Amino acid sequence: AQTVTQSQPEMSVQEAETVTLSCTYDTSESDYYLFWYKQPPSRQMILVIRQEAYKQQNATENRFSVNFQKAAKSFSLKISDSQLGDAAMYFCAYRSPYNNNDMRFGAGTRLTVKP
Amino acid sequence: DVKVTQSSRYLVKRTGEKVFLECVQDMDHENMFWYRQDPGLGLRLIYFSYDVKMKEKGDIPEGYSVSREKKERFSLILESASTNQTSMYLCASNPWTVSGEKLFFGSGTQLSVL
Repeated sequence: AQTVTQSQPEMSVQEAETVTLSCTYDTSESDYYLFWYKQPPSRQMILVIRQEAYKQQNATENRFSVNFQKAAKSFSLKISDSQLGDAAMYFCAYRSPYNNNDMRFGAGTRLTVKP
Repeated sequence: DVKVTQSSRYLVKRTGEKVFLECVQDMDHENMFWYRQDPGLGLRLIYFSYDVKMKEKGDIPEGYSVSREKKERFSLILESASTNQTSMYLCASNPWTVSGEKLFFGSGTQLSVL
């Protein structure tokens, strides 16, 4: 089974600065989907960004971008110009294209933003 | 926007009680999921349903059952609650046709079993 590892339980960043959250995964599949979800104190999980493994171009969504290294099985999230509202738990997730119920989540990284 | 509603935000129950966690989605999604979230463990799949009355076990189904009598509603049942079931429970849904489709989550139910 695929596994997802987030090696940073906690991270902090100064407001307006940039932070990178790490994620690695283990799979034997060549095609798959990767996600970053944000869980703020309200607990509502929100999709931040999505990457399809067959696309070489890194996904971006405004201040959020990923560094997708397929060979290294790495999928880090970069948050630029950090804002207080970015403070949350961030989960990295992997989904196989062959099994719609098989979304694997990492343990999460708690991001603190300092004013 | 898709709305996934979980009936209770906080719930306190006693050991041995039968507990029902309810989830309703309003976008006619085929797939519905129940996850358990624990610190340091991320989200783990308890049960998955791809249609009315259809269900599949996830990674940690022991001690839980589910019910899906209507497409929009997916219930998680703890037949006899135990203290090790104290956790955050998240319901999610998505359409089944696209495997890379994101999950739409509810706001979670924090269950404490005393």
